[in-house]
Parts: sequence; structure tokens; C-alpha cells
Amino acid sequence: GIQVEQSPPDLILQEGANSTLRCNFSDSVNNLQWFHQNPWGQLINLFYIPSGTKQNGRLSATTVATERYSLLYISSSQTTDSGVYFCAVERKRDDKIIFGKGTRLHILP
Amino acid sequence: KAGVTQTPRYLIKTRGQQVTLSCSPISGHRSVSWYQQTPGQGLQFLFEYFSETQRNKGNFPGRFSGRQFSNSRSEMNVSTLELGDSALYLCASSRLATYEQYFGPGTRLTVT
Repeated sequence: GIQVEQSPPDLILQEGANSTLRCNFSDSVNNLQWFHQNPWGQLINLFYIPSGTKQNGRLSATTVATERYSLLYISSSQTTDSGVYFCAVERKRDDKIIFGKGTRLHILP
Repeated sequence: KAGVTQTPRYLIKTRGQQVTLSCSPISGHRSVSWYQQTPGQGLQFLFEYFSETQRNKGNFPGRFSGRQFSNSRSEMNVSTLELGDSALYLCASSRLATYEQYFGPGTRLTVT
């Protein structure tokens, strides 16, 4: 089945730093989403980005579907950015949603 | 617009019992998907319902079942609970199938 690999698995940064999270997928997909899971378990939508680039405040994302990867950029990190970031893809051949294992981000004050 | 709601938020059950979890999607959303999250396996897709029909199913045993009502609300049922069923169960809704998903807060199930 499709593999969704996220890197790095863990990231510790100082407040104010920038970071890039990566999501690689091994097969054709219909779409891709990025989520942030807060400490209480709530998954928060960040981007729905099957292709191209989107920006929302300090966050932006780029998906290059032909090369099977997506990047999530976080600039000027804040402690509230801490948590786990997931990418999820919808597999083209059967429309199932597959999640990566996430990147755990810890922002130090 | 209200978000996705799930009830109950926390549940403790005994091995062998059954449990029913409920999910109310965002108004106007017709697709509801269910996921199981555990520390070992991560987030895994259980099933998706669209217009009261199961559209997709993950690789879970038949003890896991679900349904969707005409108002798009969905329930999932787990019968003969096992210790390994302890997990956070997340529901997501989307306006259409194969579209942007919005998640509820989850139901944390503990099986003792």
C-alpha cells in the first residue's frame, strides 16, 4: 500500500525559529491535508493542498504531486505551535485516507 | 457554524462489552469518516459513510461497524471489546466524499 513518510520525527526549536516539515508519499494521491494535533488530541486543519502553494499567516505549504512530496513551513515559531503535525493523503486508487506518523514539534520559550 | 461533535468524550469499558460512539458532522456535510489513534499504530482509517452508505472501509475486524443516518449523524460500534481497542476514536466530516476533512475532538476509550 501507499507509504506516507514524515520527517523529521521530532524537532526541538527555540521560539522565533523557522522550520520545514516534509511529507513524502509513494503513490498517486487525490489530495493531501496537513493537520496540527494539540495536546488535547484535537486535529486542527492547516491546509488542504493537493498541489501548489498556500499561505496562512506564519504557515505555508507546498505540494509537488508529480514528485510526491509536500512541505510545511512554520516561520517565527511560537510555543503554541508545539504539538504533532500530520500529513494525510487520499490514495487515488481507492480513495482511502492514509496518515503519516507525524512530526512532533516542541518550541522552547 | 458549529464544528464536529462527538459523544461521549471519555468512556471506560470492560473487556467483552460493546460500545457505541456518536458523531454529529458539520451542518451540510454529508461524509463522515472514523479513525482510530493509538501510540503504536498511529492514526488508522476505520470507515467512511456518505449519504448513509459505507463508501470505504479500512483493515479492521468485523467487530468494528458503523452506520450513518439520514441527517448525516453517524455511529460506530465495537463489539466484544479487547484491551487493544483502547484508543482515541476520531470522527471527521466533509462536505462531499474525497474532500477536505474536519475533525471532532474525539472519544477516548479505555478498555480494562
